[in-house]
Amino acid sequence: KNEVEQSPQNLTAQEGEFITINCSYSVGISALHWLQQHPGGGIVSLFMLSSGKKKHGRLIATINIQEKHSSLHITASHPRDSAVYICAVQRGADGLTFGKGTHLIIQP
Amino acid sequence: NAGVTQTPKFQVLKTGQSMTLQCAQDMNHEYMSWYRQDPGMGLRLIHYSVGAGITDQGEVPNGYNVSRSTTEDFPLRLLSAAPSQTSVYFCASSKRAGGRPEQYFGPGTRLTVT
Repeated sequence: KNEVEQSPQNLTAQEGEFITINCSYSVGISALHWLQQHPGGGIVSLFMLSSGKKKHGRLIATINIQEKHSSLHITASHPRDSAVYICAVQRGADGLTFGKGTHLIIQP
Repeated sequence: NAGVTQTPKFQVLKTGQSMTLQCAQDMNHEYMSWYRQDPGMGLRLIHYSVGAGITDQGEVPNGYNVSRSTTEDFPLRLLSAAPSQTSVYFCASSKRAGGRPEQYFGPGTRLTVT
């Protein structure tokens, strides 16, 4: 079993819809990261969470440490949000352990 | 700041050849790491470093060497390339304490081994 599981693997939605991507993990962590990878390949850090909730523009990330679960929400989705969204966990000083990503397509 | 830079962007090697993927950052980050990304596998950690002179193995270290002689540079060496090392390689860096803790990724190196 992977240490980091994401769902769904693929998601297609219409412009304007509210999007939720889920991430569950099975190990103790010091932080959880949400990353975005566009078709061109570049990876951008969206959030780093160790507790609670963070918001940046139309993106919201939450984490429940007790349940080992995090969600990434996109409000008022737009075609430019189409990308792969990756959850990754950090344990102490080690590098990251990644989920396999969620391929999101927002149709106009 | 240039952020995290990687060279080359593309490389084709023959089996058995060696090469070094370069990674540099100008943000004075203590942490640096190398990942490979393969279809259906997600990103996997190859090696990482928590500071100059200190390196450690990640999930898939076999066939790769690293060194960290300066804070800025973290090269990844392929000793004898194999087709299984065909992948996209990403270097990343972050602060150890203080400042913004987010991971910063380089643009990637697409390596093909024939």
